[in-house]
Amino acid sequence: GDSVTQMEGPVTLSEEAFLTINCTYTATGYPSLFWYVQYPGEGLQLLLKATKADDKGSNKGFEATYRKETTSFHLEKGSVQVSDSAVYFCALSVKGGGNKLTFGTGTQLKVEL
Amino acid sequence: EAQVTQNPRYLITVTGKKLTVTCSQNMNHEYMSWYRQDPGLGLRQIYYSMNVEVTDKGDVPEGYKVSRKEKRNFPLILESPSPNQTSLYFCASSSTGAGEYEQYFGPGTRLTVT
Repeated sequence: GDSVTQMEGPVTLSEEAFLTINCTYTATGYPSLFWYVQYPGEGLQLLLKATKADDKGSNKGFEATYRKETTSFHLEKGSVQVSDSAVYFCALSVKGGGNKLTFGTGTQLKVEL
Repeated sequence: EAQVTQNPRYLITVTGKKLTVTCSQNMNHEYMSWYRQDPGLGLRQIYYSMNVEVTDKGDVPEGYKVSRKEKRNFPLILESPSPNQTSLYFCASSSTGAGEYEQYFGPGTRLTVT
């Protein structure tokens, strides 16, 4: 079946540090890939997405590139801020899969001054 | 404002006492879904609905029921809650398509069953 594997957290960084959160996937079809973010006490919000190979999704300084050859969708940001502290979820949705999102387990990011 | 609302936000109940968690969206979305979030497991789909009167099981449907009588509402029903249903529940909605559309999530309902 479809699955998403992402690095375990928590990840603790100093402000302005470079962020990478690794995400790899297994899918039976040709998936769309997403990063969702969950701030404390809130629901999930879409951070960025990519729907085909080599697409780069970007938003709020975050980027991720759909790499079909390595089945990966790593999240990066060049300079994190304290306000980026949250839980980040990598997810996929396969065409014909009824819009279902398959999530990774989530990676907690803590950014300190 | 486009949003998904859930009620209640917090609920503590006892084993076997039927409960309903409501979900409503104002975006005229065809697709709605329920997920549960548990530590170390991420989010797992419970049930989903592609449109009014069309519902189907997700990955973890045991112990849950849903209905979709109106396009905007998708309540989650626990007929006889048990402690293993203690979890954080999220409702989501989106346009239908090939899975490429953003899903909008509600704020979550934290359920504790004692």
